[in-house]
Order: sequence, then structure tokens, then C-alpha cells
Amino acid sequence: EAQVTQNPRYLITVTGKKLTVTCSQNMNHEYMSWYRQDPGLGLRQIYYSMNVEVTDKGDVPEGYKVSRKEKRNFPLILESPSPNQTSLYFCASSAETGGLSYEQYFGPGTRLTVT
Amino acid sequence: DAKTTQPTSMDCAEGRAANLPCNHSTISGNEYVYWYRQIHSQGPQYIIHGLKNNETNEMASLIITEDRKSSTLILPHATLRDTAVYYCIVRRSSNTGKLIFGQGTTLQVKP
Repeated sequence: EAQVTQNPRYLITVTGKKLTVTCSQNMNHEYMSWYRQDPGLGLRQIYYSMNVEVTDKGDVPEGYKVSRKEKRNFPLILESPSPNQTSLYFCASSAETGGLSYEQYFGPGTRLTVT
Repeated sequence: DAKTTQPTSMDCAEGRAANLPCNHSTISGNEYVYWYRQIHSQGPQYIIHGLKNNETNEMASLIITEDRKSSTLILPHATLRDTAVYYCIVRRSSNTGKLIFGQGTTLQVKP
């Protein structure tokens, strides 16, 4: 089954404790992206990757890091989480390339709480 | 990417067709109309997309006006599980791949 998986699904942590949210897709998609969703602000793009070893900032990259060492994985790293990073996070992937537009597939979400 | 306007909320009776409108009067010729939905904090789900012709798949139909300034998503036989927030997004292929989600339409399907 074609899917995007995220782990963990729920996480409660404390300020400053480094964490990683994993994202994996089994569709051989080149494009992957991270969004966060907050009440009243909708979904906002954090980082995206057009291919292996190619990543770039989205609209709200501060406090986050990503890596793309393999096509299927795109982990989101919070080096020093803060309470304002409490949010619902979604990973997405797509066959999209620079010249063509395709639908995006989203993971189930990771609900992160930073105390 | 062009801005879209959708009603904040709509109701639909179970088993009836749900028609969700979207205005995108500033759409450009190379921009597609995409529809996604989000069921209660789950990941957004792709529904359908089109450029200028009407489209139909197993989930829905998309009707785009001839001038492309508006479109309608049709769920032919709405069920309770179709209760969700529906997002109309107008975009072209870009280097960022970013989807701009507006406020969407909250569709409530009632028994």
C-alpha cells in the first residue's frame, strides 16, 4: 500500500531535549516536505526537499533541521525544542518535479507537545 | 499562486450530493485547481485536480467554469465519513512544491 508514515504519532517532551520525527514514503517520490498546523494559522511549510541531498527552507524553518540522505526518508530534527514548537506536524511526498505538478500524499501527523 | 475563496461552512444530508464552491478569479493559465480534505486532524487527503476540463474520479467530480474563475467539487452521495474540512488550492508546479491551505470549507454531513 502506498503510504507516508511518521513516527512517533504523539510526543510530549521538555524544553531543550533534542528530538527527531521520522518520515518515510514507499512511493519512490523525489519530493518531500514538512508542514506544521496550528489553530488559526493553517498549515505552513517548514522545509522541503526536491531530491536526495537537496533541501531548502519553507516559510517557518527556524528551530528545525532536516536531512535527506535517502530518497524514502526525510526526518525532522528539533535540536532544542521550545514550547512554541508545540504543534501538529505533517510530512508529505509527491512525484512533483520542477516542471510538473502532482498530488501530494500526507502522513498521519505527529502531535508534539513541548513543556 | 492564485488566492481562493470558499464558504466557511456547509451542511449536507447523508446520501445527497454535496456541492462545494470555490472562487479563484485571479487564476493564471498554467495554474491547476486542486482539492484536498482533512478529516479531524488527520493528514490532508488529495481528492482531485484539474486544469480546464471537468474531471471525475472514484471520490468526486470537479467542475471548472469556462473562464476558470471558479470551480465546484461534487461529492455525489455524501456519507457521514465525508464530514471534513475541504480545501480548494490553486497552484502551478513550483520549486518549493508548497501547498497554500486557506481556511477551507467545513462540510458537515448530517443523517
